[in-house]
Amino acid sequence: RKEVEQDPGPFNVPEGATVAFNCTYSNSASQSFFWYRQDCRKEPKLLMSVYSSGNEDGRFTAQLNRASQYISLLIRDSKLSDSATYLCVVNRAGGFKTIFGAGTRLFVKA
Amino acid sequence: NAGVTQTPKFQVLKTGQSMTLQCAQDMNHEYMSWYRQDPGMGLRLIHYSVGAGITDQGEVPNGYNVSRSTTEDFPLRLLSAAPSQTSVYFCASRGGVNQPQHFGDGTRLSIL
Repeated sequence: RKEVEQDPGPFNVPEGATVAFNCTYSNSASQSFFWYRQDCRKEPKLLMSVYSSGNEDGRFTAQLNRASQYISLLIRDSKLSDSATYLCVVNRAGGFKTIFGAGTRLFVKA
Repeated sequence: NAGVTQTPKFQVLKTGQSMTLQCAQDMNHEYMSWYRQDPGMGLRLIHYSVGAGITDQGEVPNGYNVSRSTTEDFPLRLLSAAPSQTSVYFCASRGGVNQPQHFGDGTRLSIL
């Protein structure tokens, strides 16, 4: 079992739709959490950090549930430009280890 | 801010050649790492460093060497290039344990 697991998708949604991704992590020593976006053959870019209280950045909302060990990302009013792979990323406590999920592919269609 | 800078952006090598991929960051980050990403695959950790003079192996270290003589620089050396090392290579750096990784824009390497 991978330490960070994501549904690989692809998710195919129309413009304007709301789409949600989940990610589960297995190591309870995980300390900090992030969502990254990666376009084809480009570097991963930080989308947002994820906090237990939940946080929002425009159309994007991230949630962390430590008890159930999962992280979510909600995208509202999807745009064509949201088409990308979304990576769930976890930093472990007590060291410098960062674990990347394999990513969830999103296609937004007109 | 330059952030994480990788050079070269593209490189073609012949089997058996050696080369060094350069990575530099100007954020005074202690943690630096090298990943490779093959088509349709996730990131795989090659080597990482938690500070100047300290390096360690990741998941796929064979065929690669690293050194960290300064906080800023973390070069990756291919000792004897093989076609299986054809990939996109990303360098990343990070500050503290609660900080996200920052990536360079990658080196696209082809081994013929």
